[in-house]
Amino acid sequence: QKEVEQNSGPLSVPEGAIASLNCTYSDRGSQSFFWYRQYSGKSPELIMSIYSNGDKEDGRFTAQLNKASQYVSLLIRDSQPSDSATYLCAVSSAGGGNKLTFGTGTQLKVEL
Amino acid sequence: NAGVMQNPRHLVRRRGQEARLRCSPMKGHSHVYWYRQLPEEGLKFMVYLQKENIIDESGMPKERFSAEFPKEGPSILRIQQVVRGDSAAYFCASSPLPRAEQFFGPGTRLTVL
Repeated sequence: QKEVEQNSGPLSVPEGAIASLNCTYSDRGSQSFFWYRQYSGKSPELIMSIYSNGDKEDGRFTAQLNKASQYVSLLIRDSQPSDSATYLCAVSSAGGGNKLTFGTGTQLKVEL
Repeated sequence: NAGVMQNPRHLVRRRGQEARLRCSPMKGHSHVYWYRQLPEEGLKFMVYLQKENIIDESGMPKERFSAEFPKEGPSILRIQQVVRGDSAAYFCASSPLPRAEQFFGPGTRLTVL
């Protein structure tokens, strides 16, 4: 079992729709959760961080965390073509020190 | 406030040569992390350093790879006797505190001929 799992996609949504990206993790000791956006050929850009159960909203982005289910998600409202990128879920666990363990990413395509 | 800086952005080496990758963290950040992204693969942790100390090198290959973060100057990831399999994007990230958000630099794309 992979430590952090994401559907590779591509996930296609029409412009203006809600994009829902999901991530599961295997280490129950995980404490910090992050979503990064990576455009092709570029470096990861931090979108959201979440540390406790529930929802966290920032503009068009909402991160959701459910530690009991070992599940974290990212919702993007009013999706724009500029949101088309690969979204990486990253997890930091207590036992793993400060290193981030990344999923392989979900490719999102927002279509006109 | 400048972000994380990495140089060079692109580096071409022949097999057997040495590669030196440099990373300057964001101002005020004393925690530096190196990650590698192989073609069509995910980001993999390599090493975590604070000034003058290697804190976690659990992701570093046992041979040919080393890292340092001296008291003065940038962090350096050194790859000796490069092989074609070392061709990848190498990213540096920094954070102000342990377990805080990590911010990535633009990366160094290493090509081994």
